[in-house]
Amino acid sequence: DAMVIQNPRYQVTQFGKPVTLSCSQTLNHNVMYWYQQKSSQAPKLLFHYYDKDFNNEADTPDNFQSRRPNTSFCFLDIRSPGLGDAAMYLCATSRDTGGSETQYFGPGTRLLVL
Amino acid sequence: GQNIDQPTEMTATEGAIVQINCTYQTSGFNGLFWYQQHAGEAPTFLSYNVLDGLEEKGRFSSFLSRSKGYSYLLLKELQMKDSASYLCAVKDSNYQLIWGAGTKLIIKP
Repeated sequence: DAMVIQNPRYQVTQFGKPVTLSCSQTLNHNVMYWYQQKSSQAPKLLFHYYDKDFNNEADTPDNFQSRRPNTSFCFLDIRSPGLGDAAMYLCATSRDTGGSETQYFGPGTRLLVL
Repeated sequence: GQNIDQPTEMTATEGAIVQINCTYQTSGFNGLFWYQQHAGEAPTFLSYNVLDGLEEKGRFSSFLSRSKGYSYLLLKELQMKDSASYLCAVKDSNYQLIWGAGTKLIIKP
């Protein structure tokens, strides 16, 4: 089945210790997104790639970086995690960015910062 | 600014019908999505509306009125597994998805 996969499902890191979250997709979609979602809040878009074209949201902290080495994979790097970065991180893909294009989500990685 | 409003929480009884409302104010409109999100899991796509009216999909229906900036999700014959958060999201003029905070639906036996 075509899908969006995220690893790991749970990640524990220490304050200030760099961490990388990964996402892969078998849908062959052009667009990949990274969202941060805290409890009972709306998902917050951090950035997205249209193919290799990187689009950063204006309010995404510099602490968050991303890489997309090929169509299938996308990584989220948190350079120096703070306690406020503990959240669910959701990867999503869509074929394109038009009106009816649906975003499909992976299962998410829950990050805990100690 | 752009804004999506949904009730924070609703409670309904198994077998009943519930309507979850969403109002929006966005810079342009290119469609409205409803997603279901079970606790600790990722959102899953339920429906998409871009024209006014009702779209029916099994037990779930979604309605849109663009002139009123209003949508609702109607869930019929509620089952315990429908306990989840329901998120409304609108694509704005830049095709950016603007998300509501979600409505937590609690189903009681």
